[in-house]
Amino acid sequence: GQQVMQIPQYQHVQEGEDFTTYCNSSTTLSNIQWYKQRPGGHPVFLIQLVKSGEVKKQKRLTFQFGEAKKNSSLHITATQTTDVGTYFCAGHGGGSNYKLTFGKGTLLTVNP
Amino acid sequence: DADVTQTPRNRITKTGKRIMLECSQTKGHDRMYWYRQDPGLGLRLIYYSFDVKDINKGEISDGYSVSRQAQAKFSLSLESAIPNQTALYFCATSDRPGTSGRIEQFFGPGTRLTVL
Repeated sequence: GQQVMQIPQYQHVQEGEDFTTYCNSSTTLSNIQWYKQRPGGHPVFLIQLVKSGEVKKQKRLTFQFGEAKKNSSLHITATQTTDVGTYFCAGHGGGSNYKLTFGKGTLLTVNP
Repeated sequence: DADVTQTPRNRITKTGKRIMLECSQTKGHDRMYWYRQDPGLGLRLIYYSFDVKDINKGEISDGYSVSRQAQAKFSLSLESAIPNQTALYFCATSDRPGTSGRIEQFFGPGTRLTVL
C-alpha cells in the first residue's frame, strides 16, 4: 500500500533559525496536505497542494510539491516559539475514497 | 474544532473490557474517520465512513468496530480492550471535495485511552 515517509522525526532550533521538513511518497500522489498539531492539541489543516511543482506561501511558511508529485516540503523562515508543534504531511493517492496516508510527523521545538 | 466533539476525553479501562468512543459533528459533513495516534507513529486510519450506509476498514481495523448511527455520529468500539490499544484516538470529518478539490479533514479534540 501507499507509504509516506517524513523526515526528520525531530528538529530543535534556536528562535530565528529556519526549519524544513520533507515528505516522500512511495507512489504518485493526487494531492498532499499539511497539518500542524500543537502540543496537547489536535491536527489542524494548513494547506493542500495539487499541481506538479506547486509552491504556496503562508507568511513565513513555504510549501512545495515536487514535479513528480511524490515529494513535498514545508519550510519555515525565522522560526518563532509559536511554531512549536508536530507537522504532518498527508498524501492522497487519488480516486474517490479520499483517504489520506499520514507521515509520522516532525516534532519542532524552538528555543527562545 | 469545536464542531467535532469526542466523548470521553480521557478513559482508563481494564484488559478485556468493552469500550465505546463517540464522535459527533455539526459541520454537516458526510465523511467521518477514526484514527489512532501513537508516539512516533503518526496518525493511522482505523475506519472511515462516507455515509450512513458506507463503512470501510482502514489500515489497522483489527480489534475495532464502528457504527455510523447518523450522518453526525460515528462511534468506535473496542470489543475486548488490550494494553497495546492504549493510544490517543481522533475522530475527523471532511466534506465532499466540490469544485476546488479541497478535501481537508477537521479533527476532534481526541480521546486519550489507557488500557491496564
